[in-house]
Amino acid sequence: DADVTQTPRNRITKTGKRIMLECSQTKGHDRMYWYRQDPGLGLRLIYYSFDVKDINKGEISDGYSVSRQAQAKFSLSLESAIPNQTALYFCATSDLGATGELFFGEGSRLTVL
Amino acid sequence: GDSVTQMEGPVTLSEEAFLTINCTYTATGYPSLFWYVQYPGEGLQLLLKATKADDKGSNKGFEATYRKETTSFHLEKGSVQVSDSAVYFCALSDRGKTGANNLFFGTGTRLTVIP
Repeated sequence: DADVTQTPRNRITKTGKRIMLECSQTKGHDRMYWYRQDPGLGLRLIYYSFDVKDINKGEISDGYSVSRQAQAKFSLSLESAIPNQTALYFCATSDLGATGELFFGEGSRLTVL
Repeated sequence: GDSVTQMEGPVTLSEEAFLTINCTYTATGYPSLFWYVQYPGEGLQLLLKATKADDKGSNKGFEATYRKETTSFHLEKGSVQVSDSAVYFCALSDRGKTGANNLFFGTGTRLTVIP
């Protein structure tokens, strides 16, 4: 089983709908991240969390919200999805002491029509 | 601000050819540098890293040297295989700024190796 699991892996939805992407990890890491990947733009950070009581905005947080329900769970919500949020979303984790190494899930492909 | 610039793709090579993917960075602190690889249908995984100037990261036949004087971290492999076909991302982490393991990624370079 994967150490970082994302659900759903694929989702097609309509403009205006609320969507939640979930991430769970078995690595025991304190830090969790949500990234968005778009062709030609690389990965951009949406939100990150140092622990269950600490949530921080990343580079492109507008239109998104997150919840850290437990050390192992970090969900990303789109309250009212719009077409330009169509992208591949990645959850990642890291250890407090590690120097920048992130462990990624397999991604959630979201299409907003 | 911190940023990474890597060569545009796609790159297509024949098996056993030499690979170079260029990466340069801008950072005001003392960043750590990384190459991540994304195989088809998978998430990114760390390929190699270097944490200070002149360090060489290596893994699976890939190498990259942290060059502070040229602000570069070019990825090289002497003889590519079909199984190396993937998207390669250069990234930097400047923990002094945010205290987080926040990575700044390049745009990615798609490599296709043909038999």
